[in-house]
Amino acid sequence: GENVEQHPSTLSVQEGDSAVIKCTYSDSASNYFPWYKQELGKRPQLIIDIRSNVGEKKDQRIAVTLNKTAKHFSLHITETQPEDSAVYFCAASETGTASKLTFGTGTRLQVTL
Amino acid sequence: EAGVVQSPRYKIIEKKQPVAFWCNPISGHNTLYWYLQNLGQGPELLIRYENEEAVDDSQLPKDRFSAERLKGVDSTLKIQPAELGDSAVYLCASSPITGPYNEQFFGPGTRLTVL
Repeated sequence: GENVEQHPSTLSVQEGDSAVIKCTYSDSASNYFPWYKQELGKRPQLIIDIRSNVGEKKDQRIAVTLNKTAKHFSLHITETQPEDSAVYFCAASETGTASKLTFGTGTRLQVTL
Repeated sequence: EAGVVQSPRYKIIEKKQPVAFWCNPISGHNTLYWYLQNLGQGPELLIRYENEEAVDDSQLPKDRFSAERLKGVDSTLKIQPAELGDSAVYLCASSPITGPYNEQFFGPGTRLTVL
């Protein structure tokens, strides 16, 4: 089955700096890569996703890049704000069971003032 | 539009006792998922329903876990008997149709503590 690895496990940045979280996946047939944000004690919420037919997608301060050859994708947050502090999960969908997401282990992002 | 509803939010039981979790998906969402989330980990799929049919239950420990979605709407996940290692957050999610690009909407989860 699919295996998703995520790094780093924790990340601390100062407000205004950029944050980058990286994930690798094992199944070359995976074609959908969402990112979820989970604040403490709350539900995971989708913040951005990317499909295999594009290499980059941007939404305001958040961007995701995908390298299918290397089987890795990354989340970039620019101009970080304290409200960006949360745990971020990457995920990948498996071939043939496209609704089955395999999640990474999460990155705890802390934005300090 | 109401989100995915789960109850209870918290449950504390002693080992060997049974426990049940309930999920009401977003109206119109025919796909429902149950995930297990251990502390500091990402969600892990337990079972996926399309309407009332369980289409993927390969990760469900069937010796003690069971699930049902009788009318293709609400779903119940049961553990009997519970073990200490079952302490975790149980997340329910739903999506409108199956396919590669449909967002999964998560509920708030049920935090289970087994003593």
